[in-house]
Amino acid sequence: EDQVTQSPEALRLQEGESSSLNCSYTVSGLRGLFWYRQDPGKGPEFLFTLYSAGEEKEKERLKATLTKKESFLHITAPKPEDSATYLCAVLLRGSYIPTFGRGTSLIVHP
Amino acid sequence: NAGVTQTPKFRILKIGQSMTLQCAQDMNHNYMYWYRQDPGMGLKLIYYSVGAGITDKGEVPNGYNVSRSTTEDFPLRLELAAPSQTSVYFCASSSRSEGYTFGSGTRLTVV
Repeated sequence: EDQVTQSPEALRLQEGESSSLNCSYTVSGLRGLFWYRQDPGKGPEFLFTLYSAGEEKEKERLKATLTKKESFLHITAPKPEDSATYLCAVLLRGSYIPTFGRGTSLIVHP
Repeated sequence: NAGVTQTPKFRILKIGQSMTLQCAQDMNHNYMYWYRQDPGMGLKLIYYSVGAGITDKGEVPNGYNVSRSTTEDFPLRLELAAPSQTSVYFCASSSRSEGYTFGSGTRLTVV
């Protein structure tokens, strides 16, 4: 059973159509939750770290939020250049090895 | 401003051959990692290191070896390559509580 589950697996949006990606986790003792963006043929690029429930981080059209059992990556008025796979990873207290989800593939059509 | 540098970017190996994937970082990070990424399977941890001279197995270590003689370098050795090792390999580094910095990857095909 996956400890980190991302949904949906794939998402197609029209340019300007806002939506959210979900990352839910079953582990306890969260130390941090990370969001990454991965473009085809490239390594993941770090976006955000969230440490505690209620925390929010923003960067351009992206906003990440965290509750006790899940995180959302909200994409406001997306553009085609936001098309990528978005990965989340959770890090437990006392560990330095995060567990990655399988990612959400986002395609934004012009 | 190099970050994490991986070489080579692409490689084709024949079954039974060996090779070393190189990884170097210039951020003075203690923690370094090797992952493989297969379509639909996410990132799987192969080996990791918490500092020079210290390495440990991850989730899928069989068929691989690592060494960490310096803070900067963390090479991954494939011995007796098998088709199951066809994958994209990513090296990453981090300070303890921050997100990873990933390299650009090595795409390996074993035929």
